[in-house]
Amino acid sequence: GQNIDQPTEMTATEGAIVQINCTYQTSGFNGLFWYQQHAGEAPTFLSYNVLDGLEEKGRFSSFLSRSKGYSYLLLKELQMKDSASYLCAVDVGANNLFFGTGTRLTVIP
Amino acid sequence: DSGVTQTPKHLITATGQRVTLRCSPRSGDLSVYWYQQSLDQGLQFLIHYYNGEERAKGNILERFSAQQFPDLHSELNLSSLELGDSALYFCASSARTGASKELFFGEGSRLTVL
Repeated sequence: GQNIDQPTEMTATEGAIVQINCTYQTSGFNGLFWYQQHAGEAPTFLSYNVLDGLEEKGRFSSFLSRSKGYSYLLLKELQMKDSASYLCAVDVGANNLFFGTGTRLTVIP
Repeated sequence: DSGVTQTPKHLITATGQRVTLRCSPRSGDLSVYWYQQSLDQGLQFLIHYYNGEERAKGNILERFSAQQFPDLHSELNLSSLELGDSALYFCASSARTGASKELFFGEGSRLTVL
């Protein structure tokens, strides 16, 4: 079976840094994605990791350790508009992205 | 705007009815995926089509079916609807080429079954 674990909710302060963790146990692994989803809206792509290490893209960075089945999304210089759900998803092969239930981040002033 | 178009945006219907959700992928994308997202639930993969052929099936009920047409648009048919089928249904498309299999999601169709 497939399993992805993420914290359900997190709260952080505007201007701060927050790390959202994701652990996974899947039958296959072709890469890991992070998506952002504002309430009632479509998910939008943030990052993709297939090799171990850190991928940086502006205020957002994503890290992957395949041997540990672990990833995190790092958000720097938090802004109010970053309040959203952050979805960790694993490409388990056969063209199938398996999504976690997401972490709801609330940014407070 | 992701370039993926879904209709209708909202749909209210009664138990036992049948509905059809429609998706037009981004121009040039051959793959179409359908996902279901219930309240406070993750995105549940339903089915994937590539260039008209079914490629993968997830947790799709037998009451649900889908197809992809020659013009690459896709339809998801939901029949004998139950209250628990109320959810957001997302369609996503992706390009065949490239290392990243980034999915581009439509705005979703919100189905309410009363």
